[in-house]
Amino acid sequence: AQSVAQPEDQVNVAEGNPLTVKCTYSVSGNPYLFWYVQYPNRGLQFLLKYITGDNLVKGSYGFEAEFNKSQTSFHLKKPSALVSDSALYFCAVRVSNSGGYNKLIFGAGTRLAVHP
Amino acid sequence: NAGVTQTPKFQVLKTGQSMTLQCAQDMNHEYMSWYRQDPGMGLRLIHYSVGAGITDQGEVPNGYNVSRSTTEDFPLRLLSAAPSQTSVYFCASSSDPVGGYTFGSGTRLTVV
Repeated sequence: AQSVAQPEDQVNVAEGNPLTVKCTYSVSGNPYLFWYVQYPNRGLQFLLKYITGDNLVKGSYGFEAEFNKSQTSFHLKKPSALVSDSALYFCAVRVSNSGGYNKLIFGAGTRLAVHP
Repeated sequence: NAGVTQTPKFQVLKTGQSMTLQCAQDMNHEYMSWYRQDPGMGLRLIHYSVGAGITDQGEVPNGYNVSRSTTEDFPLRLLSAAPSQTSVYFCASSSDPVGGYTFGSGTRLTVV
């Protein structure tokens, strides 16, 4: 089955330290991968995507993600965390059904808590 | 530019009642989706549409209907509300499935 997994429910990091939020995927064919962020009582906001090309993808708010095909991973990273980065982060993968339609499948989410 | 607009923001229903959650986008996006968000389960796809007149089921379609008569609107209908449908519902749209989706601000539904 095609799916995406976020193995950590919560990640805690001190402000100024680097952060990593993990994501692994299982899809047939070449993966199209996404990261979204959700602030309290808000909808999801698109951060970045990997379609093809460089394995390191840069996105909004200083975030980047590293695609690793051999490990089927797409971890979200930031060199220096801010308290304002505290939010819920979702990894997603595009899958296609038998009719050729594309849709996004989301992971369960990882809550990032950045402490002053 | 309003983006994706969802109404209402909050709703309380009694078991067995029906209602329609509205979703409208003004970006001329072909792709629209409905998700429900439950604690510890992330977002689960209910129904989606790849254009006017074309819809398909997602992961958890039971108890919900959709239609897409125009590009702009993608309403979600709850046929007979159940407490298990208590959730936060998000509508999203995109010009392309490999692009980033734009999400609405959500509808918090409680079924008592």
